[in-house]
Amino acid sequence: AQSVTQPDIHITVSEGASLELRCNYSYGATPYLFWYVQSPGQGLQLLLKYFSGDTLVQGIKGFEAEFKRSQSSFNLRKPSVHWSDAAEYFCAVGDKVIFGPGTSLSVIP
Amino acid sequence: GAVVSQHPSRVICKSGTSVKIECRSLDFQATTMFWYRQFPKQSLMLMATSNEGSKATYEQGVEKDKFLINHASLTLSTLTVTSAHPEDSSFYICSAIARDRSRDEQFFGPGTRLTVL
Repeated sequence: AQSVTQPDIHITVSEGASLELRCNYSYGATPYLFWYVQSPGQGLQLLLKYFSGDTLVQGIKGFEAEFKRSQSSFNLRKPSVHWSDAAEYFCAVGDKVIFGPGTSLSVIP
Repeated sequence: GAVVSQHPSRVICKSGTSVKIECRSLDFQATTMFWYRQFPKQSLMLMATSNEGSKATYEQGVEKDKFLINHASLTLSTLTVTSAHPEDSSFYICSAIARDRSRDEQFFGPGTRLTVL
């Protein structure tokens, strides 16, 4: 069965600091992997996705993620966080897009 | 990019009444739509997969008689919460897969917040 875990429920970083949000998945075949962001009162926005090819994926807003099959991970990174990045981040897997529990990001000015 | 709308964006109803939520793909045809439910501070839970012209496929634990889904056209899917109760209060989100695009093109609606009094 497909499943996604995000070990960190909440993360706080200082503005300008680097960020890494963890995501681990369970999937029977080559996974379709996604990262979405949900800001308060707004809909889900796709940050990036991985289906095949280069394991380092570039997304919008300066985000990137690296697919590591050996670790069943798809961690999201950003070198320098902006205050506007504060939001809920969801990792997701599969055709039907099964979502992880989410990581809430707070940014300290 | 493709746009998915939901109507209404917010609805408050009395316990025992039924509420219909619409999900529309505005500029593309969607053979498949999904319905999710999101509780406060929690993740999205897939409720069902809606295919145009056929019965919806419900995830385990989702009451099909409670949550009626109809996908009558390539641009519209509806979710009807029947005999709503306070525990049905939640944020309902739909998404749609564009028909002529690669399978990865899934677009989400802005969500509908349902409050049952």
